[in-house]
Amino acid sequence: AQSVTQPDIHITVSEGASLELRCNYSYGATPYLFWYVQSPGQGLQLLLKYFSGDTLVQGIKGFEAEFKRSQSSFNLRKPSVHWSDAAEYFCAVPVIQGAQKLVFGQGTRLTINP
Amino acid sequence: GAGVSQSPRYKVAKRGQDVALRCDPISGHVSLFWYQQALGQGPEFLTYFQNEAQLDKSGLPSDRFFAERPEGSVSTLKIQRTQQEDSAVYLCASSRSRTGRETQYFGPGTRLLVL
Repeated sequence: AQSVTQPDIHITVSEGASLELRCNYSYGATPYLFWYVQSPGQGLQLLLKYFSGDTLVQGIKGFEAEFKRSQSSFNLRKPSVHWSDAAEYFCAVPVIQGAQKLVFGQGTRLTINP
Repeated sequence: GAGVSQSPRYKVAKRGQDVALRCDPISGHVSLFWYQQALGQGPEFLTYFQNEAQLDKSGLPSDRFFAERPEGSVSTLKIQRTQQEDSAVYLCASSRSRTGRETQYFGPGTRLLVL
């Protein structure tokens, strides 16, 4: 079964600074990969997803992620964060390729300094 | 259109009580999922429906947990004889089809506190 690791539990950045959140997966083949965001008291919202093809994926709210097979990573980036980006971010993969059942990372809590 | 809705949003139960959590998926969505999210953790899969059929219940922690979706739309997650370790946020998600590429749309969750 696939699994996903988010090494950073909490990250703090200043408003306007760039952001990179790390996600590493374990699977032999190219997995489907997802990034979700969860604001306080809210459900999860999909930011972007990767299946195949171009390794740089654009998402909503100015986010992008890059799939790197050699590093088994799918890191989320944003060039300039806004205070409204403060939230919990989750990386996820299907438990087996093609399945809908998702396995989530522990999450990274993002704090924005004014 | 309307998203996934869940009710109640908050539930406080005394240990040993039974609770029922409701999920209204997006209209027409075939697949429905329940996840449990403990404090400070990512969501963990509980169970999955395709229409009215419960195809995977491997994540249900014990036989005290039961889920149903009798008409292939609304779903209810029932927890019998609640225990303190059941305290968590219960998330429901739905998706349009059965493929792994399909986006899952999440509801706001029900926060359950067992005293």
